[in-house]
Amino acid sequence: GESVGLHLPTLSVQEGDNSIINCAYSNSASDYFIWYKQESGKGPQFIIDIRSNMDKRQGQRVTVLLNKTVKHLSLQIAATQPGDSAVYFCAETYYNQGGKLIFGQGTELSVKP
Amino acid sequence: KAGVTQTPRYLIKTRGQQVTLSCSPISGHRSVSWYQQTPGQGLQFLFEYFSETQRNKGNFPGRFSGRQFSNSRSEMNVSTLELGDSALYLCASSTEQAYGYTFGSGTRLTVV
Repeated sequence: GESVGLHLPTLSVQEGDNSIINCAYSNSASDYFIWYKQESGKGPQFIIDIRSNMDKRQGQRVTVLLNKTVKHLSLQIAATQPGDSAVYFCAETYYNQGGKLIFGQGTELSVKP
Repeated sequence: KAGVTQTPRYLIKTRGQQVTLSCSPISGHRSVSWYQQTPGQGLQFLFEYFSETQRNKGNFPGRFSGRQFSNSRSEMNVSTLELGDSALYLCASSTEQAYGYTFGSGTRLTVV
């Protein structure tokens, strides 16, 4: 398949610290990127998105950075809280892909109180 | 407004059987995509339907099929189940192709 899940990278942070989750995407033609959060037993939950004509977008406590030169995406979470503990996925797609998202392998974020 | 609803939440089937999973999208959403999630392969795209037409298909065997009804509800079917089909099957809906997709909670399929 196009999304291969290997050992899930884990990021462990202290409550209140900032978290940075990284993602390398695969297709230089991708023009739309999304970050999802998935908690145990639930489906992925939309966090923030960014189009390829931008390099930064901010939401509530979250910022997504896009570096098209090296095909890299990052999600920054400010003042991380225990409720942020989950698996985070980046996803990419491009125009005319008919709803097909390509997901990264995911990163497990663990927040210590 | 109601989110994406998938039924059933859990399912146990025997090898060789077939199964049908259902997805009701958010009201007004006409695009529905299906994904398979496993620990080994992660999230993989199965297919997408828009206005009752399949617009895109992932790299899965023909045992995996789907359809969409005029009210945008969608079903996916897996025939001749194999142990490797055990997974969380996720449905997502959107008003446009691939933008702002909202996922359901999934159907956990176990094949024994």
